[in-house]
Amino acid sequence: GENVEQHPSTLSVQEGDSAVIKCTYSDSASNYFPWYKQELGKGPQLIIDIRSNVGEKKDQRIAVTLNKTAKHFSLHITETQPEDSAVYFCAAPFSGNTPLVFGKGTRLSVIA
Amino acid sequence: DGGITQSPKYLFRKEGQNVTLSCEQNLNHDAMYWYRQDPGQGLRLIYYSQIVNDFQKGDIAEGYSVSREKKESFPLTVTSAQKNPTAFYLCASSPAGELFFGEGSRLTVL
Repeated sequence: GENVEQHPSTLSVQEGDSAVIKCTYSDSASNYFPWYKQELGKGPQLIIDIRSNVGEKKDQRIAVTLNKTAKHFSLHITETQPEDSAVYFCAAPFSGNTPLVFGKGTRLSVIA
Repeated sequence: DGGITQSPKYLFRKEGQNVTLSCEQNLNHDAMYWYRQDPGQGLRLIYYSQIVNDFQKGDIAEGYSVSREKKESFPLTVTSAQKNPTAFYLCASSPAGELFFGEGSRLTVL
């Protein structure tokens, strides 16, 4: 089955700086790579995702890059703001319609 | 409003008691999931159901049970056999791939 490793577990940045979170996965058949943001006491919300036929996807200040050869994908947040402070999770399915396997999360703190 | 509703948000139970967490969705999604979240552990899959009247065990199903009698509902029972039931429980539904999560239920066993 799929194994997803996420790094770092905690990340502190100054407001306005960039933040990068990386994930690796084990199953080359995985074809869908979402990122979720979880605020304290709430359920995770999808912020961006990428499918295996695309190398990069951007949505305003966030972007995700995918390297299928190396089996890793990354979340990039530019011009960070205090409201970006949260726990971020990456995930990947084994393949097709199987449930997502999540990384252990990264707690991002943006310092004003 | 369309979405996923979990209840109760907070629940306290004595050790040895069964407890059922409710999850309802009005998004018309076929698939529903239960994840458990512990500090530093990420989200771990308990059970999932891809269609009514069918469900599969996830990675940590021991001590839990589910039913899927209606498309909209996927309740989770935490039984007395679950050794460490205190956790944050998340329900999700999916049309295909992307998960939509509820707000979670925090269970504390005293």
